[in-house]
Amino acid sequence: GQQLNQSPQSMFIQEGEDVSMNCTSSSIFNTWLWYKQEPGEGPVLLIALYKAGELTSNGRLTAQFGITRKDSFLNISASIPSDVGIYFCAGQLGMVYGGSQGNLIFGKGTKLSVKP
Amino acid sequence: DTGVSQDPRHKITKRGQNVTFRCDPISEHNRLYWYRQTLGQGPEFLTYFQNEAQLEKSRLLSDRFSAERPKGSFSTLEIQRTEQGDSAMYLCASSLGSGGAFNEQFFGPGTRLTVL
Repeated sequence: GQQLNQSPQSMFIQEGEDVSMNCTSSSIFNTWLWYKQEPGEGPVLLIALYKAGELTSNGRLTAQFGITRKDSFLNISASIPSDVGIYFCAGQLGMVYGGSQGNLIFGKGTKLSVKP
Repeated sequence: DTGVSQDPRHKITKRGQNVTFRCDPISEHNRLYWYRQTLGQGPEFLTYFQNEAQLEKSRLLSDRFSAERPKGSFSTLEIQRTEQGDSAMYLCASSLGSGGAFNEQFFGPGTRLTVL
């Protein structure tokens, strides 16, 4: 099936550092979403992107919808200990690629660890 | 609490038994989705409903899996004759509809299934 390549797989950073992660695909997506998941919980929606080139911020988080519609990145500025978790990108395919206007396709996640 | 709720949060069962999980979506959301998540992976789409209509079920993992949303509100996911490979987190999500922000999917806390 369709895959999203998410990198890096994991990151160990110092509190206060900025973080950057990205997702790429061979297919064109209509929508990119970024989620955060903590152990034993469901993913929590952080940012949603709908247009190629769109740059959206949510507090210390900034995400962009790549101009080719095949990639997206998420930046976290001035990280704090509560940023710890697994960050997932998710995309929705356009209909021409077999998208059903329903399901999201997820990356494998970036595990973020923050050292105080 | 007006988020997506799932019940039970944890289920331990013996191989061969049937299990049923319930999901209550956000009240005004028309769409309801089921995903499965295994360790170290992102959520994997299974099926979704628009009101009571099941619009996509080809991704259900086998004919042992079935889902219902009889009145267009809560949904159930049933797994018959469970196998050890069914052990995973089963996630439910809901959205207002499709297109742009209407497709933002909000997840419940998940049901962790362990098959012994």
